[in-house]
Amino acid sequence: TQLLEQSPQFLSIQEGENLTVYCNSSSVFSSLQWYRQEPGEGPVLLVTVVTGGEVKKLKRLTFQFGDARKDSSLHITAAQPGDTGLYLCAGATSGTYKYIFGTGTRLKVLA
Amino acid sequence: NAGVTQTPKFRILKIGQSMTLQCTQDMNHNYMYWYRQDPGMGLKLIYYSVGAGITDKGEVPNGYNVSRSTTEDFPLRLELAAPSQTSVYFCASSAPSEETQYFGPGTRLLVL
Repeated sequence: TQLLEQSPQFLSIQEGENLTVYCNSSSVFSSLQWYRQEPGEGPVLLVTVVTGGEVKKLKRLTFQFGDARKDSSLHITAAQPGDTGLYLCAGATSGTYKYIFGTGTRLKVLA
Repeated sequence: NAGVTQTPKFRILKIGQSMTLQCTQDMNHNYMYWYRQDPGMGLKLIYYSVGAGITDKGEVPNGYNVSRSTTEDFPLRLELAAPSQTSVYFCASSAPSEETQYFGPGTRLLVL
């Protein structure tokens, strides 16, 4: 059974702080995605990474795919209250259309 | 542009009752998915489909059934509702040419 474990599970920080969320697995993924979900809504895609070692930036968010394509990280610089939400990683293995979602990291940024 | 729509938004079922959760997408996507999300958790794949007439099991298919008679619709059927099926159900779709999954707003189901 493939598992994607995220850490930390919960994170409460002050506005302006930096943070990193991790997504780890023993399985190799052909691509890995990061989503943000707000209460009462479905997840919304932030980014997809497909190449080992790939780094993508989305404003204050930096995403990295591990060299072996088994793990990923999301780094937020100078967090803002608008970053509050549930962050989910999801991986797909080569040749399948099935996505395995991580356990989620719930972030709260206090003003 | 509606995207992925789900009905109903909320439903309370008694143990043993059955119901169908509806999902429709207007983006002509081949791939469609059903997930469940328990409180504070990630999503678990129930069933998925790569095109009309083709469906396959995900991680947690027991207690559910699906059909895909058209590209647009992918209903999820619960035959004998159990308290363990209390959850939020999300439908999603994607195109073969892109990795992005587009999610519906979810159906909240409470089984008592």
